[in-house]
Formats: sequence, C-alpha cells, structure tokens
Amino acid sequence: NAGVTQTPKFQVLKTGQSMTLQCAQDMNHEYMSWYRQDPGMGLRLIHYSVGAGITDQGEVPNGYNVSRSTTEDFPLRLLSAAPSQTSVYFCASRPGGSANTEAFFGQGTRLTVV
Amino acid sequence: GENVEQHPSTLSVQEGDSAVIKCTYSDSASNYFPWYKQELGKRPQLIIDIRSNVGEKKDQRIAVTLNKTAKHFSLHITETQPEDSAVYFCAATPGYSTLTFGKGTMLLVSP
Repeated sequence: NAGVTQTPKFQVLKTGQSMTLQCAQDMNHEYMSWYRQDPGMGLRLIHYSVGAGITDQGEVPNGYNVSRSTTEDFPLRLLSAAPSQTSVYFCASRPGGSANTEAFFGQGTRLTVV
Repeated sequence: GENVEQHPSTLSVQEGDSAVIKCTYSDSASNYFPWYKQELGKRPQLIIDIRSNVGEKKDQRIAVTLNKTAKHFSLHITETQPEDSAVYFCAATPGYSTLTFGKGTMLLVSP
C-alpha cells in the first residue's frame, strides 16, 4: 500500500500565481484533511472532507479551495498565492464513522511564495 | 468545535530522565486521543493513542493517561534517549469529524 501520497514535495510560486496540491490515498478512508504547519503554530486545519462530495472549512480556509469528487483524491487549490501561504502542507486521511482510529499523513509539500 | 491546548511548548531533559507532556480539550464528546511524533523534515506518525473508555495505556517506555472528568490527557516517556528528540503533538476528536491538534512540544534529550 502506498498510503497517502502528496505531490509535489517542494514548490516555489510567485505572488498571485495559482496551483493545486495533489493528495491521494489508497486505503478507502472516508475522512481526508489538509493542514498547514508553521513554526510554533502546530497543525492548523484548512479544509476537510467526510466523504466524496462533502467538504467543510477548517480553522484557516481563506485563500484555499478543495473538492472531493472521489474517495481517493482530495486536491487543495491555492487561488492567488500570497507570501502568508508559505508553509508546509500535509494531507491526512483516516477511516470514518465507528472506525475511530489514527490519521495517516502524506509526506508533506513545502511551499514558498515569493 | 474542539480546542486542544498543549504544554509545554519546549521541554529539555537529560538522557534517562522522564518527560511529561500535557494536553487539555474542550469538547466533552471527544473520545479518541492520539499522540504523534514528528522528526525534523518528516511527516507526523502515530506513537500511541487512547480511547475514552480507557484511563491509561502503556507501550514500552511510552504511556498515556486520560482524565475525562477534567478533560485532560498526558504523554509520559520514561528513560528518554536522544532519538526521542522530536516534536510531539496531541490531538482529539469526537469521531465523526477530523482531528484537532495541539500546537506541539519540542522535546530535546541531551546525552
């Protein structure tokens, strides 16, 4: 099993550019989430999904869009990149419902906006 | 929604000492409490978890305790080793949603 796969691993963007961070999981997990990690701020939730076709905002959603057309994929779109979006982004998935267990993380995407 | 507070933000110990990290949560419906370890440049990985029907769980040098009444849970690492140096995150969830994480504790174990 590949688990949770994120691409790209590194990215540099210019202010105002848009891009999509890809996330795919092969564990048939219902729940998927995007977090950003900044020094001293921990893992802050951007958007999450509890199943295909269902998404919701987390703590820091502004400037980001998500969609969940399949169980496997949960891409994160930056609409117009800003330097404040420089961060490390993690995608995570976990089983839903009564299978209340751990989240599995992708390897992360280090994004720099200049 | 859930809010998780984690203390301390940094913890320095000598090799062989014990380390304790504490977290509090706000949502009384939360029933799953995992702890993650993140080494530099790596992804967070689960080291131990506990559910609300259990008060304590142990795995070798690592233990977690849960006090549902006070809404707090703690990670205990005994006989610390340099390879325990990392950032540790606690998290909580009521199960029907995603995980809410604390801000993390940087543990430094000096030889």
